[in-house]
Amino acid sequence: EIVLTQSPATLSLSPGERATLSCRASQRLSSSYLAWYQQKFGQAPRLLIYGASNRATGIPDRFSGSGSGTDFTLTISRLEPEDFAVYYCQQYGSSRTWTFGQGTKVEIK
Amino acid sequence: EVQLLESGGGLVQPGGSLRVSCAASGFTFSSYAMTWVRQAPGKGLEWVSAISDGGGNTYYADSVKGRFTISRDNSKNTLFLQMNSLRAEDTAVYHCAKAKGLVTPFDYWGQGTLVTVSS
Repeated sequence: EIVLTQSPATLSLSPGERATLSCRASQRLSSSYLAWYQQKFGQAPRLLIYGASNRATGIPDRFSGSGSGTDFTLTISRLEPEDFAVYYCQQYGSSRTWTFGQGTKVEIK
Repeated sequence: EVQLLESGGGLVQPGGSLRVSCAASGFTFSSYAMTWVRQAPGKGLEWVSAISDGGGNTYYADSVKGRFTISRDNSKNTLFLQMNSLRAEDTAVYHCAKAKGLVTPFDYWGQGTLVTVSS
């Protein structure tokens, strides 16, 4: 089973700052089957990034994803007030299992 | 507009059973794989189960294998999760989510239904 480890657990930043979130896989992910989701309190998760670096429909370009193999990064170039939330990485479909990281909370400093 | 509406959650005793449903609209339900993802109170996301578009292939997390059964009725655009032998650790909000296929991310999610397992 692939384990995803996200770091840091909490990121304290101010609006306008750059956020860099990390996701490390215990095994190499084939074809970069790695996604990122945003979840605000009391809401369903929203798909941000798929295939490690492709923005989902309607996602602003301040969100970007990068990485391959076992190391992946979600970058928010300039934090907007609505970006303070919890972010999860996910590997999808490997051996017909789907795994989430434990999440990174981006909070207002 | 894609909509996923879960129902059927509630309070159940340990060892009991419950079936939750997910009514889908706004897309051709029979053309997409569907999944269940749960979130225990204050915790992260945990994938539970997935089913192929036609229903012929099903997949389960080890934590629920042998106790939960995923199914779908494509004529009624509805996804189900039958949960048996429930344990306290199954307490969570259960979200259904849509996927293009079995090796794609989950592009739409429902708000979820709360299942509480307690005596």
